[in-house]
Amino acid sequence: EAGVVQSPRYKIIEKKQPVAFWCNPISGHNTLYWYLQNLGQGPELLIRYENEEAVDDSQLPKDRFSAERLKGVDSTLKIQPAELGDSAVYLCASSSTGDGGNTIYFGEGSWLTVV
Amino acid sequence: AQSVTQPDIHITVSEGASLELRCNYSYGATPYLFWYVQSPGQGLQLLLKYFSGDTLVQGIKGFEAEFKRSQSSFNLRKPSVHWSDAAEYFCAVGDYKLSFGAGTTVTVRA
Repeated sequence: EAGVVQSPRYKIIEKKQPVAFWCNPISGHNTLYWYLQNLGQGPELLIRYENEEAVDDSQLPKDRFSAERLKGVDSTLKIQPAELGDSAVYLCASSSTGDGGNTIYFGEGSWLTVV
Repeated sequence: AQSVTQPDIHITVSEGASLELRCNYSYGATPYLFWYVQSPGQGLQLLLKYFSGDTLVQGIKGFEAEFKRSQSSFNLRKPSVHWSDAAEYFCAVGDYKLSFGAGTTVTVRA
């Protein structure tokens, strides 16, 4: 079974430029997440989707970040314009319920450097 | 509010020696607990999870963890470390929203 697929894996852009990350979750997973991981820290939730609906976007900086999950499968996270402080790893994840709980599986991450 | 503390930022262990990584959590209800591992340039791989039942859980790559409610801990152990275990390890608590610790970096020396 394929895992969570993300692209691009690595991206270097100049500040003020836009950037977009794409994610394809594990087949059958209705819940999709975007996490932000700064260097030397644990990931933090940006947004969670249940199918097409964003059910938790309280941590998403809406002035420059946007996300969408059309048709309830793939998702895109966009930053416009990017700032130097946005250099980080953007992790997509999806989850399934079973064994009495919700298990979250992560992709390989999209590593962003803003120069 | 839920939170996780990993007291050790960095641990160095000899190959073949045992490893224990500490994790303390704060959670209002019965916790769902996880350990993930991250190799350089990679995403997070799930090692093991605890939802309920037996407090000693087995995971992949020979890892196990023990849930101790009285100590609010979920420590990760491995009896004999291999060089490939060098990575960063994250403890997490939560359900649909995970809270992660800051991670413990494990270095394995020959």
